[in-house]
Amino acid sequence: GAVVSQHPSWVICKSGTSVKIECRSLDFQATTMFWYRQFPKQSLMLMATSNEGSKATYEQGVEKDKFLINHASLTLSTLTVTSAHPEDSSFYICSASRAGGPGEQYFGPGTRLTVT
Amino acid sequence: AQSVTQPDIHITVSEGASLELRCNYSYGATPYLFWYVQSPGQGLQLLLKYFSGDTLVQGIKGFEAEFKRSQSSFNLRKPSVHWSDAAEYFCAVASGGYQKVTFGTGTKLQVIP
Repeated sequence: GAVVSQHPSWVICKSGTSVKIECRSLDFQATTMFWYRQFPKQSLMLMATSNEGSKATYEQGVEKDKFLINHASLTLSTLTVTSAHPEDSSFYICSASRAGGPGEQYFGPGTRLTVT
Repeated sequence: AQSVTQPDIHITVSEGASLELRCNYSYGATPYLFWYVQSPGQGLQLLLKYFSGDTLVQGIKGFEAEFKRSQSSFNLRKPSVHWSDAAEYFCAVASGGYQKVTFGTGTKLQVIP
């Protein structure tokens, strides 16, 4: 149990376009989902925390207008990278935690975004 | 603010040898501590976690970790490494309420025959 999926696993987009990444908890309800960014050979950096039905909380330095997060249901959160630029190319990983806690975060397989 | 230090960026061990990956944390209260493993291009898999109780924690794939409060450490160990253990390992600490996890910079493990 506690499986998290991400779609797509890999995406290439042109500079200036927007791309949406989905994060789904397949077999549990996730009250909280997290979005991380990982640059090559570096650690995960938390971008934002989203709770179902409320606005996401962004970490300092993350542009909320550029990285739009929606947590519309207990099993789905989306990250939209708006007006993407090459410097947005990265590995984006989501995680989800169950209702009640303390619990643990279950990680998705990640999405590789390349902006050309 | 909480932080995690993994002093070893890269470690190479022979298959069958023992392994210890170091992790030191900084956090004011009792932390929640984790070890994750990441294979290239993949997400993270939880190896083990410490919330409270017995300070020696057993995880999956034959890994264990020991929480030492006096040393602010949570080192990961395995008595005999397999070639399939080659991956990147991340230590992480979470604050109360488990709302924010801070990851270390990771240790890349290479296993040689």
